[in-house]
Order: sequence, then C-alpha cells, then structure tokens
Amino acid sequence: EPEVTQTPSHQVTQMGQEVILRCVPISNHLYFYWYRQILGQKVEFLVSFYNNEISEKSEIFDDQFSVERPDGSNFTLKIRSTKLEDSAMYFCASSLDTLSYEQYFGPGTRLTVT
Amino acid sequence: AQRVTQPEKLLSVFKGAPVELKCNYSYSGSPELFWYVQYSRQRLQLLLRHISRESIKGFTADLNKGETSFHLKKPFAQEEDSAMYYCALRAGTASKLTFGTGTRLQVTL
Repeated sequence: EPEVTQTPSHQVTQMGQEVILRCVPISNHLYFYWYRQILGQKVEFLVSFYNNEISEKSEIFDDQFSVERPDGSNFTLKIRSTKLEDSAMYFCASSLDTLSYEQYFGPGTRLTVT
Repeated sequence: AQRVTQPEKLLSVFKGAPVELKCNYSYSGSPELFWYVQYSRQRLQLLLRHISRESIKGFTADLNKGETSFHLKKPFAQEEDSAMYYCALRAGTASKLTFGTGTRLQVTL
C-alpha cells in the first residue's frame, strides 16, 4: 500500500539555523498538508497546498515558514531562523482530493532546536 | 473557531471491558468528525469517520449534534486496541483537520 514518507526522521539544529523537512506524498494525491505536534500538545494544522500554491494556512504559519513542491514528488517545509519553540514533531499528510477524502499521514520528523 | 475536546488523557480498561473515548466539539456549522489512531511507533491513521457510519475493528462512533459529541465506543476491549486516539474535526469547506489533545487507551489483562 502506498505511504507518505518523510525525511529525516530526526533533525537536530541550532537556534537561528534554517531547516528543510522533506516529504514524499502518495503519488496520485493532489492535496498536501503540514501539521506539527509540540510534545504533550495537540496536533496543529500549519498549511495546506494544492496546485502549487498555499490553499490555507494557520496563524502559526508566519513568514518564518515556507512550503514548496520543487519537483513532481517532493513537498518541503522550510523553517528559517529556527527558535527553541519550533521543537516539535512535524507531520506531512496528503489526500487524493479535499473534503471527503482521507488524509494519509507520514511518520513525522522530530525537530529539536538547541 | 472550531475546537475539539478530549477530556481524558488516559483511559485504562481491562481486556473484555467496554470502552468509551469521549470527544466533544464546538463549531457553529455542520462538521465532519473523525477518529484517528496512532499505535506504538506507527503513524497516525484514520480509524473511522462519521459520514461512513461503519464499524472498524469493532469501534463505532455516532455524531450527536445536540450534545456536540462524537464518542468512540467498543463493547469489548482487546489488548491490541492499546494506542493513542485522536478525535478530529473538519469544518465546512476547509480541508484542514482540527485535532483534540488525544486519549491514550491502555488495555490490561
């Protein structure tokens, strides 16, 4: 069964550095998402992406964040100038379409900012 | 804005006992409700959704609009049900999911 994959599984970075989290969505899916989960807290929506542009974003997704689909398979989340509070589990998800279609989640990337 | 509340962080039951994981929501329109499950060291996966009205792995959930609830139930818990369960809501035409804080279900012998 096709799965969403994410790399790396764990990323450690120093405060102020830039990180890029990578995701390979399921190949025929059209909608892509990033969520994050700070330890002990709920899974929070960051951004959704369709047709090469952001379709929705949360108030968390400020200028520090950006997303890109650089080629036909990858979907990336870039965090510029990381802060300690960016430490979290970042989940990528994809769905065939929106609304009535299931979102399939990747295994997550644990980001630790020191 | 929508909100999902799962009042229990941990629910511990004996094998064979009934299970009810509580979920309440607040949203002024017609939401779509989901239960996601995360087994140990595995990814989040969809367990069931209210519009399907189906039973998955013995679990059912009914949307109660009057009580704004979507509790997850199973008549007889199994050890393999031990996992983290998240209730989630999709509001209107938005595609994003709003999650609750999750409930850890622990089934013991």
